[in-house]
Amino acid sequence: GAVVSQHPSWVICKSGTSVKIECRSLDFQATTMFWYRQFPKQSLMLMATSNEGSKATYEQGVEKDKFLINHASLTLSTLTVTSAHPEDSSFYICSARDLGQGYYEQYFGPGTRLTVT
Amino acid sequence: QQPVQSPQAVILREGEDAVINCSSSKALYSVHWYRQKHGEAPVFLMILLKGGEQKGHEKISASFNEKKQQSSLYLTASQLSYSGTYFCGTEISGGGNKLTFGTGTQLKVEL
Repeated sequence: GAVVSQHPSWVICKSGTSVKIECRSLDFQATTMFWYRQFPKQSLMLMATSNEGSKATYEQGVEKDKFLINHASLTLSTLTVTSAHPEDSSFYICSARDLGQGYYEQYFGPGTRLTVT
Repeated sequence: QQPVQSPQAVILREGEDAVINCSSSKALYSVHWYRQKHGEAPVFLMILLKGGEQKGHEKISASFNEKKQQSSLYLTASQLSYSGTYFCGTEISGGGNKLTFGTGTQLKVEL
């Protein structure tokens, strides 16, 4: 099956700093990637849809200036949490679909646990 | 709006069966099922496309009733490894290929 990687898997940062999370599709080209956030014991909440070469589409209530998404290539999307605060602490997960091949499955990366102190 | 799953949680003894339901208020194009273990990313189980199909994978199968906008996941002869939280992810027609995840069902299988 398709493999999606994320880096880092775990990060602690001080309040006010920025953190960048990378999401890579390792064995396929991901025309579309998705970024989710998951708080403890809650469901996955979609933050934004990232399309290669174009601006990301953010879900209602997600601050686009705070969560910067860049999808510069068919295998890499990045999420930058700017001026992070403790309430941004969460489990961030990316996923990818290779719609160019007509594949419907969405493959998830292993997730990044962010703790803001 | 987030799909509603039922039950919220269930405890089984090994070998018992379970059914997890997912209900949406919107017309669905597809339903995806995932299992997530604590601290890990969701693992894909299966996808059902509109057309009312039913799918199976060993002892896990699912059905999709597009008229009722509902899907059910069937776990038979449960094993300890089935423990985790199950999520349905729904894709609506014309929804831009994105999934909206359900409220989740915690499943624990005990000896």
